[in-house]
Amino acid sequence: DTAVSQTPKYLVTQMGNDKSIKCEQNLGHDTMYWYKQDSKKFLKIMFSYNNKELIINETVPNRFSPKSPDKAHLNLHINSLELGDSAVYFCASSPAAGVLYGYTFGSGTRLTVV
Amino acid sequence: AQRVTQPEKLLSVFKGAPVELKCNYSYSGSPELFWYVQYSRQRLQLLLRHISRESIKGFTADLNKGETSFHLKKPFAQEEDSAMYYCALRGGGATNKLIFGTGTLLAVQP
Repeated sequence: DTAVSQTPKYLVTQMGNDKSIKCEQNLGHDTMYWYKQDSKKFLKIMFSYNNKELIINETVPNRFSPKSPDKAHLNLHINSLELGDSAVYFCASSPAAGVLYGYTFGSGTRLTVV
Repeated sequence: AQRVTQPEKLLSVFKGAPVELKCNYSYSGSPELFWYVQYSRQRLQLLLRHISRESIKGFTADLNKGETSFHLKKPFAQEEDSAMYYCALRGGGATNKLIFGTGTLLAVQP
């Protein structure tokens, strides 16, 4: 019974395509996040939603758009994919924003743009 | 500026040797620090929170505000400890944003 699940696990696509990554958590957490892990294993936050409201929007190209239909889901849509978008994208959740808790991470989506 | 520095990209030790993974932070307020571990091709898992002062899998980490450090230590490394270790700092404000260091790959040789 996976706590934070992402689909797909692997995604290989051509430059210029549009793709979506889905994330769902069954922990009852209020806050969800998207992180990008690049080829050097560096982790950087992209977005965060608290109860369907966007609370963190780091410097990310407009081609990336998060969507949270409800507090259990946070999807990431990417338009006009570029080679530099190749990375592992991690979804995470935590019980609430502004409270001292660790995150629960998903297993990641490995995106390869060719 | 809020920053987490892990100076070592790779730390290679032999089984049974002591391990210390370094983490330094820059933060103007009272820091909240974590260690996360990522085994090969797996998800990141929370290992330690400084506020809990716990020991998980034999690892401990002490917050040293004078040296702005939160080094991760284990007295006797095991092969199954081989993984990527990330130090993380909770940023200020209401967002609960975690700022990660660049990670240290721990390789424990038999």
